[in-house]
Amino acid sequence: NAGVTQTPKFQVLKTGQSMTLQCAQDMNHEYMSWYRQDPGMGLRLIHYSVGAGITDQGEVPNGYNVSRSTTEDFPLRLLSAAPSQTSVYFCASSYGRRKDGYTFGSGTRLTVV
Amino acid sequence: RKEVEQDPGPFNVPEGATVAFNCTYSNSASQSFFWYRQDCRKEPKLLMSVYSSGNEDGRFTAQLNRASQYISLLIRDSKLSDSATYLCVPLGSGNTGKLIFGQGTTLQVKP
Repeated sequence: NAGVTQTPKFQVLKTGQSMTLQCAQDMNHEYMSWYRQDPGMGLRLIHYSVGAGITDQGEVPNGYNVSRSTTEDFPLRLLSAAPSQTSVYFCASSYGRRKDGYTFGSGTRLTVV
Repeated sequence: RKEVEQDPGPFNVPEGATVAFNCTYSNSASQSFFWYRQDCRKEPKLLMSVYSSGNEDGRFTAQLNRASQYISLLIRDSKLSDSATYLCVPLGSGNTGKLIFGQGTTLQVKP
């Protein structure tokens, strides 16, 4: 049981490049989310999903795109990378029941130069 | 008012001390709450769920005050390994999947 797997763990991009951060979970969780965390700051919600085919925007969605074609996968796409998107990105998943918390992946550390 | 507010600290306490953190939330419809622990540059890990008046797990006790809209986390007999940032997360009614984290409270336990 791998839990939540994020790839890559580290990435350096040039301004204007696009890329996809991968997130996969093997726990049959319906709910999945993407967060970013900047130094000295809390986690900010980018996009989230409550099931395959259903996504919605969080607090800071601009510059990011998501899709949820399967229960297992929830990729995050950076459309045109900017230095302001340098951050640590965490993916999380949950059954979504009232008592269930979210399980987080180990994060992707992204630097945009 | 922010959805979730926490005193960022840091709280510096000696080993063996008892320490408490508060977290206030703005959505009165929140039904469940979570405390997460995050070590430096690592992913958050679930410490405790709270969906009634409170919860206790070993040295950790969470208490919920719905009237005043805050939850607290009490850590007894602090260990060096308790040093981390503690994040408070309320879950809104209907569980929309939109989970908003507080900024966190940093705890440093000193020998």
